[in-house]
Amino acid sequence: DTEVTQTPKHLVMGMTNKKSLKCEQHMGHRAMYWYKQKAKKPPELMFVYSYEKLSINESVPSRFSPECPNSSLLNLHLHALQPEDSALYLCASSQEWTARGYTFGSGTRLTVV
Amino acid sequence: AQSVTQLDSQVPVFEEAPVELRCNYSSSVSVYLFWYVQYPNQGLQLLLKYLSGSTLVKGINGFEAEFNKSQTSFHLRKPSVHISDTAEYFCAVSATGTASKLTFGTGTRLQVTL
Repeated sequence: DTEVTQTPKHLVMGMTNKKSLKCEQHMGHRAMYWYKQKAKKPPELMFVYSYEKLSINESVPSRFSPECPNSSLLNLHLHALQPEDSALYLCASSQEWTARGYTFGSGTRLTVV
Repeated sequence: AQSVTQLDSQVPVFEEAPVELRCNYSSSVSVYLFWYVQYPNQGLQLLLKYLSGSTLVKGINGFEAEFNKSQTSFHLRKPSVHISDTAEYFCAVSATGTASKLTFGTGTRLQVTL
């Protein structure tokens, strides 16, 4: 299995909702990442987990809450989002915390209404 | 910190013509360099990467890139493009070693037409 699987593929949520994005990999990778990509822009790093510990939080608002329950799973909990949070959320993983080889998921397209 | 510049936001090209997408980077330390492709409504797929060794790197789908340290460039080339190559292409850089962030350029839209 050489894939990073993200669910759901599309999500529409209201500003008062609570939802979660899920990312799963079974490649034995020990680093996982969340990126946010606005339309026609490059991906921007949000969080880095290394060996299930949060290693980087790029000053992301607290309405985004990451969680790494085990080495194969990464969640992003969403609460009280704003319309400007609408974007493609990408998950990636790598064997170790190094850029030598990332595998990206296909993303979750989030729309906040 | 590292940075990447992709000067061309869009590159139109006819099918079967050659193409070069330009990428320049800035860094005070040794770097890894990457090209990723993104098709509409999809994630990023690694085309090729330079980690060390030979400066000419061959990737998937017939793409290649050359690392030029003196010019701090990593341009992507393909001798003959297809309609299916239409996509967004991102150059990315990171410092070598562990605990390094991957920094993306602003992207180049390759538009291939008949």
